[in-house]
Amino acid sequence: DTGVSQDPRHKITKRGQNVTFRCDPISEHNRLYWYRQTLGQGPEFLTYFQNEAQLEKSRLLSDRFSAERPKGSFSTLEIQRTEQGDSAMYLCASSTNTEAFFGQGTRLTVV
Amino acid sequence: GDSVTQMEGPVTLSEEAFLTINCTYTATGYPSLFWYVQYPGEGLQLLLKATKADDKGSNKGFEATYRKETTSFHLEKGSVQVSDSAVYFCALVNTGFQKLVFGTGTRLLVSP
Repeated sequence: DTGVSQDPRHKITKRGQNVTFRCDPISEHNRLYWYRQTLGQGPEFLTYFQNEAQLEKSRLLSDRFSAERPKGSFSTLEIQRTEQGDSAMYLCASSTNTEAFFGQGTRLTVV
Repeated sequence: GDSVTQMEGPVTLSEEAFLTINCTYTATGYPSLFWYVQYPGEGLQLLLKATKADDKGSNKGFEATYRKETTSFHLEKGSVQVSDSAVYFCALVNTGFQKLVFGTGTRLLVSP
């Protein structure tokens, strides 16, 4: 197992378009997290799943954001009608009960 | 709510100098504490952790001790290398490991 995998690594999109990111967690981890990181800041929590159940969503996650984890395996994060303020690094992590492991992130640029 | 405060950077050091990056936290209950490192354009890598008071986490020459009385988890290294240049994040997670809360990060720049 090579760790948490995210795809794509980079995405440039025009304002108003929809984008979808994928995260493949470490296979034996049942918890999966999405974070957003803007330049010079620490990661901000967006949402997390225990298996296929989405257990918590941050107030940062507006109605334009939706995340899914069908069958408790990979997860997708969709942003509809992107805005320039959505430009950020989107990080996925999966965890045991004691440690979280992060993917390389997807850098989104909205032009 | 839970929060983490880190010293602002950048921290600029010469190779072989001693490093301290301060981290304090506010949390209910008994959090676990972590240091993560982020190299340019990359995700976060777990550097070390401590799960209870007085625990010392260590890895690659870095150390941090969980101090409940001062709610601190300062990162130290006796002799930094150029390759240690990165951004360091202090984080906590509370009981049940529901979500990590991060500080804003401290950039370390080490010159030869």
